[in-house]
Amino acid sequence: AQSVTQPDARVTVSEGASLQLRCKYSYSGTPYLFWYVQYPRQGLQLLLKYYSGDPVVQGVNGFEAEFIKSNSSFHLRKASVHWSDSAVYFCAVMSNTGYQNFYFGKGTSLTVIP
Amino acid sequence: EAGVTQSPRYAVLQEGQAVSFWCDPISGHDTLYWYQQPRDQGPQLLVYFRDEAVIDNSQLPSDRFSAVRPKGTNSTLKIQSAKQGDTATYLCASTPGTLYFGAGTRLSVL
Repeated sequence: AQSVTQPDARVTVSEGASLQLRCKYSYSGTPYLFWYVQYPRQGLQLLLKYYSGDPVVQGVNGFEAEFIKSNSSFHLRKASVHWSDSAVYFCAVMSNTGYQNFYFGKGTSLTVIP
Repeated sequence: EAGVTQSPRYAVLQEGQAVSFWCDPISGHDTLYWYQQPRDQGPQLLVYFRDEAVIDNSQLPSDRFSAVRPKGTNSTLKIQSAKQGDTATYLCASTPGTLYFGAGTRLSVL
C-alpha cells in the first residue's frame, strides 16, 4: 500500500540557515512525488514535483528536492530560509497507473526565527 | 485562469445539523477530489470523481457523508448529521497531473 512518512512534525531554524525536510514514501513502482506548502487559512500550493528524469528537481522560491530511489526518499531542501518560509510542508505520492490517487504525509510545520 | 473555488469558507454547526460544501474546479479538469484535513494533520482522501463517476469513495463515512458531481463540473459534499469529530478543513482539489487546491472550508462542530 502507498504511504508517505514525514518523521519531523516540527522544525525550527534561524533565518539564513539551510533547511532539509524529510520525506519517505512507500510505493510499488516508480512514483510521482510532490511537495506542497500550506500557509495559515489557505489551501495547499505546489512547490515542486518529480515525474522522471533528473532526480534533483527545482521548485518555487529556491526550494529543491532529490529523489533517491534506493532510499525511497524525497527530501526537500533550501539553501537559505527566509522568515516568510514559515508554513506547513506536505510530501505526497501519486499513483502513476490507472486513476490518479494522491497520498499525503502528516506534514512538517516549519518555523523560521528572524 | 480561475483557480479552484470553494464555498462557504467557514461553517459552525451544532451536532446533528446538516451542512453542504460546494466546489467549482478549474475549467477542463476532469478529476475532482474531496479531502478532509483535521487540525495539524495532512489531507485525507474522502472521495474522488472522474467526470461524474465516483472512482473511490471507500473513505467516505457513507452513513452521514455524501458527494455528487452530476455534470462532471461542480461538486457538492454533504454531511447529514454532523459530529464533533467532523471538525476539520474540507479541501477540494482538481487535476490532471498536479493537484490544484481550493482554499478550503473550515468546519467547526460544537
